[in-house]
Amino acid sequence: DTEVTQTPKHLVMGMTNKKSLKCEQHMGHRAMYWYKQKAKKPPELMFVYSYEKLSINESVPSRFSPECPNSSLLNLHLHALQPEDSALYLCASSQDRTSGGTDTQYFGPGTRLTVL
Amino acid sequence: QKEVEQDPGPLSVPEGAIVSLNCTYSNSAFQYFMWYRQYSRKGPELLMYTYSSGNKEDGRFTAQVDKSSKYISLFIRDSQPSDSATYLCAMMAPTGTYKYIFGTGTRLKVLA
Repeated sequence: DTEVTQTPKHLVMGMTNKKSLKCEQHMGHRAMYWYKQKAKKPPELMFVYSYEKLSINESVPSRFSPECPNSSLLNLHLHALQPEDSALYLCASSQDRTSGGTDTQYFGPGTRLTVL
Repeated sequence: QKEVEQDPGPLSVPEGAIVSLNCTYSNSAFQYFMWYRQYSRKGPELLMYTYSSGNKEDGRFTAQVDKSSKYISLFIRDSQPSDSATYLCAMMAPTGTYKYIFGTGTRLKVLA
């Protein structure tokens, strides 16, 4: 099973709201990723967690706050977003090279976020 | 110059045609090469993964890597309308940084 699940599928929020995106995988992968994708563009990396520790933060604004509660779950907390943050937010996971993995990333279906 | 170049298309072909999708790259350190298919408003789906140079076949799909030319290809045989999607190439160097470099994606339309 190479499934990564994401909830919710769609989210509409105002600029003063606080919401969270959730991602789950049960493939035993120890690296998990958040990407942002705008229409007709490739995914842009936001964060990488390796063994539940933040490994990469691509200079993402602090209104996006990632959290990795355990090896299967990844959250993205959203607060005071701007309309330009509207996009498809993708979660991905991979094995970890330090454990002999291939780093091939498997993506979830995404959460389509609209900020009003 | 971008690290990875990919023609954005759109590419329109008749059903049953052989489709060739290509990416070129400039970083000779890349050793892992992936192709993803992405339907509209969905997440990317891994199609093919190759390490270093050579060919890999899976059903109607063949991935080729030519490291000497810094050129990768994905061939789709007997293309179907259901193959209509955006195809993203991605590549990575074995530096332990987890970072993919994506192409811009090629939009493919297979006409029935």
